[in-house]
Amino acid sequence: AQTVTQSQPEMSVQEAETVTLSCTYDTSESDYYLFWYKQPPSRQMILVIRQEAYKQQNATENRFSVNFQKAAKSFSLKISDSQLGDAAMYFCAYRTLYSGAGSYQLTFGKGTKLSVIP
Amino acid sequence: GAGVSQSPSNKVTEKGKDVELRCDPISGHTALYWYRQSLGQGLEFLIYFQGNSAPDKSGLPSDRFSAERTGGSVSTLTIQRTQQEDSAVYLCASSLDNRETQYFGPGTRLLVL
Repeated sequence: AQTVTQSQPEMSVQEAETVTLSCTYDTSESDYYLFWYKQPPSRQMILVIRQEAYKQQNATENRFSVNFQKAAKSFSLKISDSQLGDAAMYFCAYRTLYSGAGSYQLTFGKGTKLSVIP
Repeated sequence: GAGVSQSPSNKVTEKGKDVELRCDPISGHTALYWYRQSLGQGLEFLIYFQGNSAPDKSGLPSDRFSAERTGGSVSTLTIQRTQQEDSAVYLCASSLDNRETQYFGPGTRLLVL
């Protein structure tokens, strides 16, 4: 079974600075998807960024970018020019590319709580 | 367009009572998922529906939990004889198909007294 580990329960960043959230995962598969979701106090899980494992290029989405190291099974999220609205729980998630029972679910890490200091 | 909606937003019930949680997926999305988010267990997959296929129930924690999806759209998660350990946020997500990104609703916070 796949596992996702987020080793930083809490992080803080000064407004306008850059912060990197860590995520590692364990899988024996070669093709899969990785995601970062943001969950503000409103509870709504919001997709931040998605990476397909077969793509070499790191995904970017405005101020958000990832550093995907497939061999190391690492998938970190970099937030540039941090804003107060970035304060939230951030979850790293894995999804297999293959079909079969239980294969369509997302496997989540425990999350990292990000605080943004004005 | 409209996102995934869930109702009620919050539910307080007494131990032993049955509860129903509702999810309205994004229009046109054929895949629907239920997850549970609790302090001790994090985010756990419960059940998955794809079109008219038999649901994947591999994540349901006990036979007190069941779900249905009517007309390929709205889904209801039912918890019978609720226990205090059922207290959690129940999240619903939908996707265009089972390979596409999952979009989440705001969740239902369930408290069992």
